[in-house]
Amino acid sequence: AQSVTQLGSHVSVSEGALVLLRCNYSSSVPPYLFWYVQYPNQGLQLLLKYTSAATLVKGINGFEAEFKKSETSFHLTKPSAHMSDAAEYFCAVSRSYNTDKLIFGTGTRLQVFP
Amino acid sequence: ETGVTQTPRHLVMGMTNKKSLKCEQHLGHNAMYWYKQSAKKPLELMFVYNFKEQTENNSVPSRFSPECPNSSHLFLHLHTLQPEDSALYLCASSQRGTSGGTDTQYFGPGTRLTVL
Repeated sequence: AQSVTQLGSHVSVSEGALVLLRCNYSSSVPPYLFWYVQYPNQGLQLLLKYTSAATLVKGINGFEAEFKKSETSFHLTKPSAHMSDAAEYFCAVSRSYNTDKLIFGTGTRLQVFP
Repeated sequence: ETGVTQTPRHLVMGMTNKKSLKCEQHLGHNAMYWYKQSAKKPLELMFVYNFKEQTENNSVPSRFSPECPNSSHLFLHLHTLQPEDSALYLCASSQRGTSGGTDTQYFGPGTRLTVL
């Protein structure tokens, strides 16, 4: 069975500060891992994905995430937050050979203050 | 149109109504999905279609009836819904490879459904 835990349903940062959104996964098989972002009144947009190549994955809008097998983590970071980063972020896991069944976390809402 | 589109964007219906949600993907993909997004709950996968064939029904009540007439279109027919069915319904598509695995899922903007 696979599962995802996102620690912190709400994260608030100041503009220019480091963004750190936490994701821990559980998987009995090698996983693929994803971060999606959802802006208000919109669908989910892929930020980045880990598919067993490089453990440090760079995505769009300056975000990156590092796959740490020993910690079963896939935390999302951005060095300097921008007001436009305010959104809800979802971590998801799937089996590496079948991404049909994406298992999502409950999401983390990021607020950015000026 | 590009990407994945969904219509209508908002829908209000009574418990005795029949309505349909439409999804269209312009990405040339061969797999399509319906998800339900409720407040404070993880996204729930409802149905998966591969090459127009349903390959996954995640224990969805029969008042939700999907239809996939071709690889580009996906419908969700609704009838006798309950207030707890109010949610954002998201459609997604992806490309299934020859080895059977699927690539990244791309999502539409969703239909916000309210059942009175």
